[in-house]
Amino acid sequence: QQQVKQSPQSLIVQKGGISIINCAYENTAFDYFPWYQQFPGKGPALLIAIRPDVSEKKEGRFTISFNKSAKQFSLHIMDSQPGDSATYFCAARGVSGAGSYQLTFGKGTKLSVIP
Amino acid sequence: DSGVTQTPKHLITATGQRVTLRCSPRSGDLSVYWYQQSLDQGLQFLIQYYNGEERAKGNILERFSAQQFPDLHSELNLSSLELGDSALYFCASSPDGYSNQPQHFGDGTRLSIL
Repeated sequence: QQQVKQSPQSLIVQKGGISIINCAYENTAFDYFPWYQQFPGKGPALLIAIRPDVSEKKEGRFTISFNKSAKQFSLHIMDSQPGDSATYFCAARGVSGAGSYQLTFGKGTKLSVIP
Repeated sequence: DSGVTQTPKHLITATGQRVTLRCSPRSGDLSVYWYQQSLDQGLQFLIQYYNGEERAKGNILERFSAQQFPDLHSELNLSSLELGDSALYFCASSPDGYSNQPQHFGDGTRLSIL
């Protein structure tokens, strides 16, 4: 079964610090790796995504680092703010038997940024 | 606001009952996905519909079924409910199931089985 393993389960970071969340996958056929951010009472929202032919992608304070050979990718949140407190999910996209794309999610990381 | 609408927001029912969850995708999106989110399992893909037809199946129980109507809204039917079915159920939509367009999620339906 396709799996995406995410760590840590929870993370507490001081305001201004760097938050790092890691994910590992098994299926080398995955071709797209998004990160979703979820606030309480809301659905997941796409935050940033990367393709395996790129080693790093940066959008504002959010950076994805991708290591294809190790089958690992990570989310870095620079200058973490209390407003970043949310649950973060990594995901990997593969093609289903019917030829359509399907996302496999990690179990999530609850980030708390304390003032 | 993602543009994906899910109703109801909360549902409380008893074991053995049947419920229907509804999802209206973003305007123009043809593909609808259903997910179950529980504390221990995270987000689990259940099923995908594209333009009225079932496209892909994930970890969906036989007691669960879904359909997508001509107006593209979708319903997830859960029957013979068990305590373990208590979870958040999310619907997501995308323009199609094949392009690079991301999935946009609704705010979910929280199902509580008493």
